[in-house]
Amino acid sequence: AQRVTQPEKLLSVFKGAPVELKCNYSYSGSPELFWYVQYSRQRLQLLLRHISRESIKGFTADLNKGETSFHLKKPFAQEEDSAMYYCALLVGTYKYIFGTGTRLKVLA
Amino acid sequence: GAGVSQSPSNKVTEKGKDVELRCDPISGHTALYWYRQSLGQGLEFLIYFQGNSAPDKSGLPSDRFSAERTGGSVSTLTIQRTQQEDSAVYLCASSPTGDRGYTFGSGTRLTVV
Repeated sequence: AQRVTQPEKLLSVFKGAPVELKCNYSYSGSPELFWYVQYSRQRLQLLLRHISRESIKGFTADLNKGETSFHLKKPFAQEEDSAMYYCALLVGTYKYIFGTGTRLKVLA
Repeated sequence: GAGVSQSPSNKVTEKGKDVELRCDPISGHTALYWYRQSLGQGLEFLIYFQGNSAPDKSGLPSDRFSAERTGGSVSTLTIQRTQQEDSAVYLCASSPTGDRGYTFGSGTRLTVV
């Protein structure tokens, strides 16, 4: 079955603390994974994709095929990182399966 | 346009009425997608357009749901005889051919009372 699991609905961390938003997937093919972010009163937007191996706003995510995970990490959280984060698995060439999202709250 | 535009941003309708939701994608984006997000759920795929054709309608939940796209641009999602379970945020996204990253609209919040 194709599935994306984000086990935490809410994650609260203090400013300056490390952040890890968990994402696990189930997919029989070669996975292509993404993180999308929705800041308050803004639209959902692409944060990063694993094939780019990029760091955006200090966030990184590494695909671990052995653990079927694609966790999003940032070493030092900022208040402006507070948002809803969605992990997404591309199925085929155009369709996403999204996780249910994790709300990140960064406390001052 | 500069981004993906959706209208209306909010729609309250009575059970049994028909509604039309509109999406205006980024100019030149050949691919267009509709998703919906029900309360506490992840985004659920509805339909995919490539140009004016819809090669994948597998996510439409019932025959009350239909969508079309004209001129390779604007798309309309129509829900007939709305039910309370249709209440959700309906999101439209577009992308250029070959790009897997979507640009989303701000969504239409549909409430069926």
